[in-house]
Amino acid sequence: KQEVTQIPAALSVPEGENLVLNCSFTDSAIYNLQWFRQDPGKGLTSLLLIQSSQREQTSGRLNASLDKSSGRSTLYIAASQPGDSATYLCAVRAIDQGGKLIFGQGTELSVKP
Amino acid sequence: NAGVTQTPKFRVLKTGQSMTLLCAQDMNHEYMYWYRQDPGMGLRLIHYSVGEGTTAKGEVPDGYNVSRLKKQNFLLGLESAAPSQTSVYFCASLAGGGLFYEQYFGPGTRLTVT
Repeated sequence: KQEVTQIPAALSVPEGENLVLNCSFTDSAIYNLQWFRQDPGKGLTSLLLIQSSQREQTSGRLNASLDKSSGRSTLYIAASQPGDSATYLCAVRAIDQGGKLIFGQGTELSVKP
Repeated sequence: NAGVTQTPKFRVLKTGQSMTLLCAQDMNHEYMYWYRQDPGMGLRLIHYSVGEGTTAKGEVPDGYNVSRLKKQNFLLGLESAAPSQTSVYFCASLAGGGLFYEQYFGPGTRLTVT
């Protein structure tokens, strides 16, 4: 059964730092991996979607990588800003579980001015 | 294009009461999902639908029922609410044949059962 882990659970950095959020998954049989952002009391906003055949995707200051064979993905945030403070969730769409999205617990990011 | 919307945004129920949560999407998506989010438990799938008139159980279906009478709407019902159903509920949708597409989420419904 697919399991998704995100470490650390919480991260605090000063404004302007580049940072990396980690996501690992136990089964490489995935269609794709999706990174989401969730602000307190709000819904999930999709940031990036990486297909299983892709190595990375970029959107603005965000870059997500995927290494399916090792079961890892990273979300790189360049030049962090206080507005980046939120919880970041990764989710894999598991082939062996009917294509359902399996979520990690999230990393709570705080960017201090 | 409103995306995925949920009604209501907040609700307080007494134990034993019933209610229905409404999810609507205007993207003509085939797949729709109901999740609950609890501290320390992450997002868990309750029920889902792969098309109009279909429903299926997810990871935590007990105590909930769903219906998909129209393609754009997915209803989640609680027949007899329990305090354990206090949670934030999210609806999501996905394009048909869409296992390679992005999944979109609604803003959530915060439910408290006293």
